[in-house]
Amino acid sequence: EIVLTQSPGTLSLSPGERATLSCRASQSVSSSYLAWYQQKPGQAPRLLIYGASSRATGIPDRFSGSGSGTDFTLTISRLEPGDFALYYCQQYGNSPLTFGGGTKVEIK
Amino acid sequence: VQLQESGPGLVKPSETLSLNCTVSGGPMSTYYWSWIRQPPGKGLEWIGYVYSSGSTNYNPSLKSRVTISIDTSKKQFSLKLSSVTAADTAVYYCARLMGVLWAFDIWGQGTMVTVSS
Repeated sequence: EIVLTQSPGTLSLSPGERATLSCRASQSVSSSYLAWYQQKPGQAPRLLIYGASSRATGIPDRFSGSGSGTDFTLTISRLEPGDFALYYCQQYGNSPLTFGGGTKVEIK
Repeated sequence: VQLQESGPGLVKPSETLSLNCTVSGGPMSTYYWSWIRQPPGKGLEWIGYVYSSGSTNYNPSLKSRVTISIDTSKKQFSLKLSSVTAADTAVYYCARLMGVLWAFDIWGQGTMVTVSS
């Protein structure tokens, strides 16, 4: 099973700042099969990024994904109030499909 | 496309948890239909999926207790989780998994299931 480790656990930033979230895999993951989600309290997760770097429909361009192999990054270029939330990475390069433990982006 | 979970919110220990997910606004063919759960205050856990043909794939950690099935005529797919314990208390989400890209693009709102006597 591929374990995804997300860091930091919590990121405290101000609106307008840049957020950099890390997702590290215990084994190499094909970039095609790495996704990122945003989850707000009481809501289902929302797909942000698939294929490591492709934005899902309707996702603003301040969200970007990058990386390959075992190291992947989600970057939010300028935080807006609605971006303060939980973020999860997910892989399905190998079964079983797994999620990272999440990074909380909170208002400083 | 919208997904809607339905089923009991309370299940007794050792019994079987049963949930349905109704798909509206789009076809079921060529997609993988999945269940994911999230215990209170914790992260996401993939339970398994069923393809539109009926083939399945389950998380090995739950495989012995899980059955996911599909009824395309009713535009529904279902989850059965047997021998539940308090550790199975969670919000259960149904979601559409895109093949090739292997990402969940559509999610239901989730339904809270509590295991308690």
